[in-house]
Amino acid sequence: GENVEQHPSTLSVQEGDSAVIKCTYSDSASNYFPWYKQELGKGPQLIIDIRSNVGEKKDQRIAVTLNKTAKHFSLHITETQPEDSAVYFCAASMSGGGSNYKLTFGKGTLLTVNP
Amino acid sequence: NAGVTQTPKFQVLKTGQSMTLQCAQDMNHNSMYWYRQDPGMGLRLIYYSASEGTTDKGEVPNGYNVSRLNKREFSLRLESAAPSQTSVYFCASRQGISGNTIYFGEGSWLTVV
Repeated sequence: GENVEQHPSTLSVQEGDSAVIKCTYSDSASNYFPWYKQELGKGPQLIIDIRSNVGEKKDQRIAVTLNKTAKHFSLHITETQPEDSAVYFCAASMSGGGSNYKLTFGKGTLLTVNP
Repeated sequence: NAGVTQTPKFQVLKTGQSMTLQCAQDMNHNSMYWYRQDPGMGLRLIYYSASEGTTDKGEVPNGYNVSRLNKREFSLRLESAAPSQTSVYFCASRQGISGNTIYFGEGSWLTVV
C-alpha cells in the first residue's frame, strides 16, 4: 500500500517568514495530494490540494508543488501569521470513486509561528 | 450546515466494556471513513465505506467493527475495549466519484482505563 513520509515533524518560524513542509510518497499510482490543517481540538480541514497533472498550485499565501518523477510534494506558506500555527498533514491517494480511494496521511508537522 | 457530526465527544471506558461511536453526515456523500489519531502516528484508517451497503478494512481494523446504517450514518463499534484503543477518533465523508475532498468531524476523545 501507499506510504507517506512527512518532514519536519516540528517547525518554528517568526511571523512574516516562510514555512516549507515536505512529503514523499511510495505508490506511483497515487494522483491526488491534499493538505490538511488541524487546529487544537478540531478535525482536520482541507486547505489546498493538487492533482498529478499539475506541477504547482497557489491560493493566496499557500502554494503546493509536486514532482511526480521524484514522488515528492511540498507545502509553502509565505508571510506566516500566528493564526497559521497548527498541525499540517499531507496525504496521497488515487482519485475517483470506489474502493481505490483510500487517503494515506503523513504523520503531521506542528507549525508554530512566533509573533 | 452541520457537515459531519460525531457523538459522543468524550468517553471513558473500562477495559472490556463495549461502546459505539456514532457518525452522521448531511452532505449526501457516498463514502464514509473512520480514522484514529495517536501522537506521532498521524491519521490511520480503521474502516471505510465506499458506498452505502459496502464496508472494507483499512490499515488498523483489529478490535473494531462498523455498520453503514444508511447513506447518512456510519458507526464504529468497540466490542471489548482495550487501553491500546485510547485515541481520538475521526469520522469523515467524501462525495465519491466526482469529489475528492474528505470532510472530517470534530473528533471523539476515547480513554480506556
